[in-house]
Amino acid sequence: GAGVSQTPSNKVTEKGKYVELRCDPISGHTALYWYRQSLGQGPEFLIYFQGTGAADDSGLPNDRFFAVRPEGSVSTLKIQRTERGDSAMYLCASSLSRTSTDTQYFGPGTRLTVL
Amino acid sequence: GDSVTQMEGPVTLSEEAFLTINCTYTATGYPSLFWYVQYPGEGLQLLLKATKADDKGSNKGFEATYRKETTSFHLEKGSVQVSDSAVYFCALSTSGNTPLVFGKGTRLSVIA
Repeated sequence: GAGVSQTPSNKVTEKGKYVELRCDPISGHTALYWYRQSLGQGPEFLIYFQGTGAADDSGLPNDRFFAVRPEGSVSTLKIQRTERGDSAMYLCASSLSRTSTDTQYFGPGTRLTVL
Repeated sequence: GDSVTQMEGPVTLSEEAFLTINCTYTATGYPSLFWYVQYPGEGLQLLLKATKADDKGSNKGFEATYRKETTSFHLEKGSVQVSDSAVYFCALSTSGNTPLVFGKGTRLSVIA
């Protein structure tokens, strides 16, 4: 079946602009995660959803970052007033449920470049 | 907090050599342990996992054993191939805190 998809694959924007990154999880997966991966580093957790609600947003770096999942499926990560330090690969993952043993399946990522 | 430490790369091996990538962890709970792989130009893929002590995860000739006494989950393969060239990430997830915590990754290059 279809895996996790993310759009766009690449996004180039200017400092101060607003961007939206979209994630389509695997059908039926109730848990959805956003991670950020900087060059040469492992992915770092941003936020995760169980259904429609944000169960843990402790990884969001500041209030410029926000994410929604209004119908419990597609999620959008929103970044306001982008800064050059926001440049990174943004990864989305989904899993069947929220247990720690469940496999998280990752999308291909959106590479964000802030000029 | 929870953390994962893995050996720094890059690691360069000749084809058919033995591979070990060390991974140790610190966790407040009782974690599940994972190895993910990122091939050039592709997304993260689960390679193998283990959810309790002494479990051995295996896939594509790779193995890792969950060692609670040494808090380790080292990745091994007896004979690497050029196609194994990738970045390997060790990760953990603890009960009640399911987001993955990743190590920094180890880049493996296998030369013919």
